[in-house]
Amino acid sequence: GAVVSQHPSWVICKSGTSVKIECRSLDFQATTMFWYRQFPKQSLMLMATSNEGSKATYEQGVEKDKFLINHASLTLSTLTVTSAHPEDSSFYICSARGVGRAYNEQFFGPGTRLTVL
Amino acid sequence: GQQVMQIPQYQHVQEGEDFTTYCNSSTTLSNIQWYKQRPGGHPVFLIQLVKSGEVKKQKRLTFQFGEAKKNSSLHITATQTTDVGTYFCAGGYYKLSFGAGTTVTVRA
Repeated sequence: GAVVSQHPSWVICKSGTSVKIECRSLDFQATTMFWYRQFPKQSLMLMATSNEGSKATYEQGVEKDKFLINHASLTLSTLTVTSAHPEDSSFYICSARGVGRAYNEQFFGPGTRLTVL
Repeated sequence: GQQVMQIPQYQHVQEGEDFTTYCNSSTTLSNIQWYKQRPGGHPVFLIQLVKSGEVKKQKRLTFQFGEAKKNSSLHITATQTTDVGTYFCAGGYYKLSFGAGTTVTVRA
């Protein structure tokens, strides 16, 4: 149990376009989902925290208008990178915390590799 | 905010040897988690430590949580090629703060 999927697994887009990444909890309901970004050879940096039905909370330095997060249901959160630029190329990983689960238990998705040309 | 530091950044190990990676926090942690990320993959949860001074073992991996709950270590014995990857520690109760990771390479 506790499987998280992401779609797409990789995407290449042109500069200026928008890209939507989906994060789904497949066999549990996720009250909270987290979005991370990982640059090559670096650690995971938390971008934002989203709770179902409410606005996402963004970490300092993360532009909320550029990285739009929607958590419309207990099994789906989406991250939209708007007007993507080459510097947005990164590995985007989501994680989910389940209903009734421990506060510190997160399940990670397989990640989405974004390349902006 | 909470900062989690991890050393060394790189560890090149002879197959069969042991090594240790260390994690330190600027604040007391409610828990510490360890993850392994293979090249090209995503972080995979290894273990969570909660209690002060806790020690847990998973086959050749030994995890420790310091008495003050501000540091942790991962010790791997008899390193194998399958141990290649980056090991991250992460601390935090509601939100996780990840260390920089220790990237392990193994020479046969």
